[in-house]
Amino acid sequence: AQSVTQLGSHVSVSEGALVLLRCNYSSSVPPYLFWYVQYPNQGLQLLLKYTSAATLVKGINGFEAEFKKSETSFHLTKPSAHMSDAAEYFCAVSDLKGMRFGAGTRLTVKP
Amino acid sequence: ETGVTQTPRHLVMGMTNKKSLKCEQHLGHNAMYWYKQSAKKPLELMFVYSLEERVENNSVPSRFSPECPNSSHLFLHLHTLQPEDSALYLCASSQVVGGFANYGYTFGSGTRLTVV
Repeated sequence: AQSVTQLGSHVSVSEGALVLLRCNYSSSVPPYLFWYVQYPNQGLQLLLKYTSAATLVKGINGFEAEFKKSETSFHLTKPSAHMSDAAEYFCAVSDLKGMRFGAGTRLTVKP
Repeated sequence: ETGVTQTPRHLVMGMTNKKSLKCEQHLGHNAMYWYKQSAKKPLELMFVYSLEERVENNSVPSRFSPECPNSSHLFLHLHTLQPEDSALYLCASSQVVGGFANYGYTFGSGTRLTVV
């Protein structure tokens, strides 16, 4: 079965600093990978998705992620953090049984 | 209305009550899901409906009973719940092609359930 592992349950950055949220996947077939964001008391919102068209995927709110097959990684980055980026972020992989989510990474942005 | 709508947003119920959560999607998707999100725990997939048929039931207690009357509506019927069932219940929908939700899921805003 496919799965994802998010490294670090909490990440704290200063406003304007680089955001890097890590995700590694295990998959026996080319995966479909996703990043979602969840703000307090809200559902999950799709940030971006990888479906094999391009290894560097751009999403909403200035986020992007790079698919690296050799490292089985799909890390999420943003060059400059904004206070409004504070939220929980989930990496996910799609397989025949549905979407499997990582445990989530809570991003804190300090002024 | 667009997207996935869940009602109610908040629900407080006693352990002997019977209540239902409702989810409606206006996206034309062919699959719908119930997830449970508890504090400090990963998202738990509860039920999957594809083309209105239940295809996944992850050993959910029988006090949770799903219903999918058509491709746009999904219900979660609740009865004799326990305090540990307090959580955020999320509904999602997707378009499944060849068995994969390649375009991702669209989530509702959730129902915050408190069992007292």
